[in-house]
Amino acid sequence: EVQLVESGGDLVQPGGSLRLSCAASGFIVSDYYMSWVRQAPTRGLEWVSILYSDGYTYYRDSVKGRFTISRDHSKNSLYLQMDYLRDEDTALYYCARTPVNTKAGEDYFDYWGPGTLVTVSS
Amino acid sequence: DIQMTQSPSSLSASVGDRVTITCRAGQNINNFLNWYQQKPGKAPKLLIYAASRLEGGVPSRFRGSGSGTYFTLTITGLQPEDFATYYCQQSYNKRTFGQGTKVEIK
Repeated sequence: EVQLVESGGDLVQPGGSLRLSCAASGFIVSDYYMSWVRQAPTRGLEWVSILYSDGYTYYRDSVKGRFTISRDHSKNSLYLQMDYLRDEDTALYYCARTPVNTKAGEDYFDYWGPGTLVTVSS
Repeated sequence: DIQMTQSPSSLSASVGDRVTITCRAGQNINNFLNWYQQKPGKAPKLLIYAASRLEGGVPSRFRGSGSGTYFTLTITGLQPEDFATYYCQQSYNKRTFGQGTKVEIK
């Protein structure tokens, strides 16, 4: 059974750092595209970053240079290192899986974790 | 970044109604369009991928259509468990979500 479980969310001051983890089971993280998606309280979904199976990474503009996505094959886990945190980074952070497909248009999030809450506040 | 615009932002409907939600992309995204359902306190759930393909286990009353810049999600015969917020999402270039459409009980 595929499972994703995030951890590491906490209350942190503006300018601080936090490292989120996403432990995966039922599949191998490095065989899939893995993303972080966040949702501010009472707000919509916002894609943050993606790590492709070949190692390429992409970020939304507002976190570029501050966040780093990575994975550990031995732990079968995904990570998000968040530095220079801002108030607007406050959100529930989900990790989500994308199957690697060659069919046109087939690029979607098929499994999500329950999320971990990051609060940036002084 | 590719902007995704959903409409309406909310709607009220009754059980049994037919509901249509639209999603417009800021540029051509071919069929790289997915739809998700989210209920309060839960992670989003994939409904439709590649604009019109039904995810396994999703009831056939959900239908997606469109290509290019204009897409729709139609629910035919709304059920009590369908009251939720729906999001479109493009995967043509990076990833972007629409702002969501909340379907409420009339």
